[in-house]
Amino acid sequence: GENVEQHPSTLSVQEGDSAVIKCTYSDSASNYFPWYKQELGKRPQLIIDIRSNVGEKKDQRIAVTLNKTAKHFSLHITETQPEDSAVYFCAASRTYGGATNKLIFGTGTLLAVQP
Amino acid sequence: NAGVTQTPKFQVLKTGQSMTLQCAQDMNHEYMSWYRQDPGMGLRLIHYSVGAGITDQGEVPNGYNVSRSTTEDFPLRLLSAAPSQTSVYFCASSYSVSGGRTEAFFGQGTRLTVV
Repeated sequence: GENVEQHPSTLSVQEGDSAVIKCTYSDSASNYFPWYKQELGKRPQLIIDIRSNVGEKKDQRIAVTLNKTAKHFSLHITETQPEDSAVYFCAASRTYGGATNKLIFGTGTLLAVQP
Repeated sequence: NAGVTQTPKFQVLKTGQSMTLQCAQDMNHEYMSWYRQDPGMGLRLIHYSVGAGITDQGEVPNGYNVSRSTTEDFPLRLLSAAPSQTSVYFCASSYSVSGGRTEAFFGQGTRLTVV
């Protein structure tokens, strides 16, 4: 089955710096790679996703890149702000006709943005 | 539109007791799943369902049962609670949109302690 590894487990940056979180996956048939943000005591929420037919996707200060050959994908956050502090999860799955099947998560990265 | 609703929010069980965690969604989503979240372990898939009457095992199914008699409800049963099942449990649902985003919507979580 799919296995997703995520690094680093903790990341501390100064406000305004960039943060990068990396994930690798094992199943070459996976074609959908979302990123979720979980603030303390709250539920995970989708922040950005990418499909295997796209190499990069941006949404304001966040971007995700995908290297299918190497089976790894990364989350990039630029100009970090204190409100970016949270746990970030990567995930991978196969989708059939749009339906997500067995979304498998990485172990999470605790991002702390120091003012 | 309430989204995904989990009950209860908190529960304390004694070892050997059984209970059911409830999950209901009002978005007519086909796909529902249960995850457990433990420190350093991320979100691990317990069971999932791709539609009413269809369920399958995830990464960590032992000690849990599920059923999906309706599109809206996906209860998780703990047969004989063990301290190792102390965790935060999240239910999630998602929909199929051909070529589109397949965001997983999470409930608010159930914090379970087994003593």
